[in-house]
Amino acid sequence: QKEVEQNSGPLSVPEGAIASLNCTYSDRVSQSFFWYRQYSGKSPELIMSIYSNGDKEDGRFTAQLNKASQYVSLLIRDSQPSDSATYLCAPIKEYGNKLVFGAGTILRVKS
Amino acid sequence: DVKVTQSSRYLVKRTGEKVFLECVQDMDHENMFWYRQDPGLGLRLIYFSYDVKMKEKGDIPEGYSVSREKKERFSLILESASTNQTSMYLCASSPPRGRLSPLHFGNGTRLTVT
Repeated sequence: QKEVEQNSGPLSVPEGAIASLNCTYSDRVSQSFFWYRQYSGKSPELIMSIYSNGDKEDGRFTAQLNKASQYVSLLIRDSQPSDSATYLCAPIKEYGNKLVFGAGTILRVKS
Repeated sequence: DVKVTQSSRYLVKRTGEKVFLECVQDMDHENMFWYRQDPGLGLRLIYFSYDVKMKEKGDIPEGYSVSREKKERFSLILESASTNQTSMYLCASSPPRGRLSPLHFGNGTRLTVT
């Protein structure tokens, strides 16, 4: 079993809709997570972090963590074409200060 | 703002060449990392370093080595480049170990080995 799994997509949503990006993880990673956004040809940039069970909101972004189900998600409200990118889920590895990255989900927002 | 600078944006090298990828960060971060990114495989950790002259293997260290002689600089070395090392290489840095230390990435070096 992979430590982090994401649906590769592409996930297509119309402009203004809610985009829901999901990530599942194994017991070998901790329960602190980062979400990174990566535009084509660019390096990843941090958009959200979440460490506690529940929801965390930041502008149009909401991260949700469900430890019982080993599941973390990122919701993007009022999706814009500029949100079109690959979204990487990255938990901290259980031991040490290393991140483990999922392969990423491609999001396409159509105007 | 944290700045992580990778010396080359694009590199083309021949099989068997020794290749150096350089990375410099300006925020006095203790931790530095080298990843490679390939389609469908995501980012995979090659090597990392928590301090000067210290290095640890990541998940895919074979065929690579690293050097950290100064805190701000972390070099990735391909001892004898092979075509399967054609990839995007990303350097990153982060503050000392803490509960959450997000990575700050450089712009990446796209290496092609022919």
